[in-house]
Amino acid sequence: GDSVTQMEGPVTLSEEAFLTINCTYTATGYPSLFWYVQYPGEGLQLLLKATKADDKGSNKGFEATYRKETTSFHLEKGSVQVSDSAVYFCALSPNFGNEKLTFGTGTRLTIIP
Amino acid sequence: DGGITQSPKYLFRKEGQNVTLSCEQNLNHDAMYWYRQDPGQGLRLIYYSQIVNDFQKGDIAEGYSVSREKKESFPLTVTSAQKNPTAFYLCASSKDWTNEKLFFGSGTQLSVL
Repeated sequence: GDSVTQMEGPVTLSEEAFLTINCTYTATGYPSLFWYVQYPGEGLQLLLKATKADDKGSNKGFEATYRKETTSFHLEKGSVQVSDSAVYFCALSPNFGNEKLTFGTGTRLTIIP
Repeated sequence: DGGITQSPKYLFRKEGQNVTLSCEQNLNHDAMYWYRQDPGQGLRLIYYSQIVNDFQKGDIAEGYSVSREKKESFPLTVTSAQKNPTAFYLCASSKDWTNEKLFFGSGTQLSVL
């Protein structure tokens, strides 16, 4: 079945550091890929998405590129802020309905001033 | 403001007791979902509803029940048959079951006394 593998956390960085959170996937066909973010005490929010190979999703300074050749969708940000501290989830959808939406285990990110 | 509301934030269950988690949305979304979040694991789908008066089992439905009598409400009952109920429960909704942008509530932490 479909699966998503994220780098294990927690990840701790200093403010203004460069961020990469790795995500790789296994799926048949051509899934859509997502990054969701969960801030402390809140539910998940969609951060960005990409629906086909070589697409780049971006939002709030975060970017991720859909790489079919490496089956990856790594999340990056050039300069993190304390407010970026959260748990980040990579997810995929085979595009057959949301009952097949598959989430990774989440990566906790802490940014220290 | 439109959104999705879960209550209570914290809930305790005694042995042999059924408990019900509330989920209400005012986004006029057709589809609603219940996920379970355990430490070190991705979100797992318990039940989903594509439309009012209809619902389907997800990947881990055993020991849970739901109803969808109103479009805005999708309560989850954790029955005494669920032997390991301690987890964080997240409710979500989407415009329809193929729209991959999910809106999440802030969750309910269920613990066993």
